[in-house]
Formats: sequence, C-alpha cells, structure tokens
Amino acid sequence: DAGVIQSPRHEVTEMGQEVTLRCKPISGHDYLFWYRQTMMRGLELLIYFNNNVPIDDSGMPEDRFSAKMPNASFSTLKIQPSEPRDSAVYFCASSFGTTVRFFGPGTRLTVL
Amino acid sequence: QQQVKQSPQSLIVQKGGISIINCAYENTAFDYFPWYQQFPGKGPALLIAIRPDVSEKKEGRFTISFNKSAKQFSLHIMDSQPGDSATYFCAASYTNDMRFGAGTRLTVKP
Repeated sequence: DAGVIQSPRHEVTEMGQEVTLRCKPISGHDYLFWYRQTMMRGLELLIYFNNNVPIDDSGMPEDRFSAKMPNASFSTLKIQPSEPRDSAVYFCASSFGTTVRFFGPGTRLTVL
Repeated sequence: QQQVKQSPQSLIVQKGGISIINCAYENTAFDYFPWYQQFPGKGPALLIAIRPDVSEKKEGRFTISFNKSAKQFSLHIMDSQPGDSATYFCAASYTNDMRFGAGTRLTVKP
C-alpha cells in the first residue's frame, strides 16, 4: 500500500482565496483524521470521520473550515476564505480502529 | 487544553549516548500511549506504544517506561545515532480521543 496520500504537498495562496486540501486514506481503514501542526500549538485534531461520517468537528477553528468525506477513499479539507493565520502544515491520518494512526506527508499551506 | 505535557522541548545528545524524553498525562481514562517520530518534511510515524498494564516495553534501542501511579511515561533511546535526529511526540489516547505532547526535537551529534 502507498500509505496515506495528500495533495498538494505545498500550497501558497493569497488571503481571501479558497484552499482545498485532499487526502486518500489507506485502503481498508475506517477512520480518517485531519490535523493541523504549528510551532505554537503543536498537533491539533481538527475533525475525524468514521466510515465516512463526521464524528467530531469540535477542533475546527471556525466556520471558514469545512471537511467532507464523500467515499471511503477520499476526503477534503476546505478553507474559505483563507487567512494568514491559517498557515500551517495540515496532516491527514487514517487508522483501522482507533489506535495506530498512519499519517500522510502533510500539506504545507502558506497564506500571504 | 494541554492534557499531555512533554519535556524537554529540545535535546542534544552525543552519538552513543542515551536520549530520554518524558511525558505526563492528566486523564486517567487514557489507555494507550504511543510515541511518534517525525522527520523534517514527513508526517509523524508510530515508533513504539504501550498500554498501562505493563511498566516497560522495549523494541530494539527504544524503550518506553510507564509509571501509572505517577501518570508519567518516558522514551529512552539507547546508543543514540545521528539517524535518530528527529522530533518525537508522545501521545495518550482513550478510544477516539488522542492527545499529543508538544514534541521534542532531538539532535544526535556524531
């Protein structure tokens, strides 16, 4: 298996633009997590899905953030409109059950 | 809220030395304690994990020591190598709730 796949790896955009991050989890995994990593706040859980259903989105910072999982092999995290404080590395992770989480390589987002 | 406290923030060790990273947790419901290793430009990857029914787990040069009564656990890296230079995160979880420590940047000098 190729592991968790994320795209793009790097994204540079201007304030106010819409940003869409994509994730393909490991086949067969039933949980998908979106994390944000910054120097100040470390690894923060934004939202997670179980069998494509959003379970807990309490970590989503505000209404500008939204996430979807239309099927078992694809998820998106959208920021609209983006702001400079959204600059961070965004990780997608998947797991079978709730313990070991396999992280993707991350998307480094820079909002100018 | 910070439920897992990790120290030190950074650590420099000579090749062949022992690296020790400590973590403390608050929620006694946590029942799974993994350590993740992250290299620059990569996502965190599971290194070793322990459950609270044992006090120690060893895998190669990596050992987790667990003190349930003190609500503390630590990672020991024996014979540290330059290739171990990375950021290490401890975590604690209960079902779907996994909390990460702030991370320790380890540098092993040749």
